[in-house]
Amino acid sequence: SQKIEQNSEALNIQEGKTATLTCNYTNYSPAYLQWYRQDPGRGPVFLLLIRENEKEKRKERLKVTFDTTLKQSLFHITASQPADSATYLCALDPSSGTYKYIFGTGTRLKVLA
Amino acid sequence: NAGVTQTPKFQVLKTGQSMTLQCAQDMNHNSMYWYRQDPGMGLRLIYYSASEGTTDKGEVPNGYNVSRLNKREFSLRLESAAPSQTSVYFCASSVGDGQETQYFGPGTRLLVL
Repeated sequence: SQKIEQNSEALNIQEGKTATLTCNYTNYSPAYLQWYRQDPGRGPVFLLLIRENEKEKRKERLKVTFDTTLKQSLFHITASQPADSATYLCALDPSSGTYKYIFGTGTRLKVLA
Repeated sequence: NAGVTQTPKFQVLKTGQSMTLQCAQDMNHNSMYWYRQDPGMGLRLIYYSASEGTTDKGEVPNGYNVSRLNKREFSLRLESAAPSQTSVYFCASSVGDGQETQYFGPGTRLLVL
């Protein structure tokens, strides 16, 4: 069964709009959650890490929120550009310090010019 | 710095053949990981090494062995390849002291016939 859920359907949005991707998890109490970007044929690249005591984290046009009560993280890309088109993965260490990271299947984002 | 390097980039094996996937990092990281990525399944952890001299099983270790040769190198061995091991394999590393950003290699595409 899927332990981390990300919208498996592709998300198409118009250039300039805000893209919002969702990551839901169950049965874990992670100390932090990470977001990665993966382009076709390449390895994932780290984008942001948000800790359990942080409600929100920003980096340039990226924003991540983390709601430990809802067991959900939202990933936002504002003023999206075609170059933002990629698959975005969320990941967590289900029990801090185990190193046994679990990744979601990712959401494919396509930004239309 | 090259970051994380993997060899080979692509390999075709026949069922029952063996091979070793090589991974090296030049970032002086303590922790290293092997993942496989299959369509619809996301990244799944095969083995990890929290520090030099230690290795431990991840989510899908069956059919694989690993060796942490030194701090830089972490190899993954398939003793008797099976078609179910057809996948893309990624190696990753992290500092290993709570700053758990993972840096991924470019991947090895393995086809087992």
